[in-house]
Amino acid sequence: GQSLEQPSEVTAVEGAIVQINCTYQTSGFYGLSWYQQHDGGAPTFLSYNGLDGLEETGRFSSFLSRSDSYGYLLLQELQMKDSASYFCADVSGAGSYQLTFGKGTKLSVIP
Amino acid sequence: DTEVTQTPKHLVMGMTNKKSLKCEQHMGHRAMYWYKQKAKKPPELMFVYSYEKLSINESVPSRFSPECPNSSLLNLHLHALQPEDSALYLCASSQVRAGGTSGTYEQYFGPGTRLTVT
Repeated sequence: GQSLEQPSEVTAVEGAIVQINCTYQTSGFYGLSWYQQHDGGAPTFLSYNGLDGLEETGRFSSFLSRSDSYGYLLLQELQMKDSASYFCADVSGAGSYQLTFGKGTKLSVIP
Repeated sequence: DTEVTQTPKHLVMGMTNKKSLKCEQHMGHRAMYWYKQKAKKPPELMFVYSYEKLSINESVPSRFSPECPNSSLLNLHLHALQPEDSALYLCASSQVRAGGTSGTYEQYFGPGTRLTVT
C-alpha cells in the first residue's frame, strides 16, 4: 500500500523559514502534492512536483527527489496565517487520479 | 468560478435516518471525489467518479451510496449509519489527467459537511 511519513508537529517563529519533510513508499507514483488545511477549513492545493527538483510559488517552494523517495515543502517569511496543517500526498493512477495523504504536519507560527 | 460547494454544512442524524450530502462544481471537471476526514487525521478517499461513472470504491460500507447524476453534481446517500461514521465529508473535483509526471494534479475541495451520527 501507499505510505507517506511526515513530522506530526513543527513550531517556527514569524518571519523565519521552515521545512516540512515527507518520505514515501508508494506504487504507481506520478508525483507529490502538498495541501494546506486550516482548522475547520478545506484542504487547498499548494504545489505539485512531478519531476525531480524545486518548484517555487511565491513564499512556498517544494522539492522532490525520486531516487530518495523524498520531498519537502519550504515556507519562507512565515506569517501567523501560515499556522495550519500541511499534508503531502502522492498522486497515482491515471485519468481520475488518486491522492493518498500523509498524516499531516501541524505548523504553529509564533510571534 | 473555482468553487466547489457542499450542502448541508452541518448534519445531525440518527442511526435509522436516511440523508443525502450534495456537492456541486461548475469548473467543467469530469472527475469528482468523496473523502472522509476524522479529527486530526488526513482525508481518506472513499469514492472516485470519472465522466459520471464510478471508477474507484475504496471498500466503503454499503451504508454509503454515491451518485453522480450529471457532470456538475455528486451526491452521497447515507443510510443506517453508525456513530463512528461521524466525520467531515469532503467533496473534491479535478480535471481528468492522462497520467504521467507532467502537468499539475490539483484537486479542488469543497468546505465539507460536518456529520454527526447519534
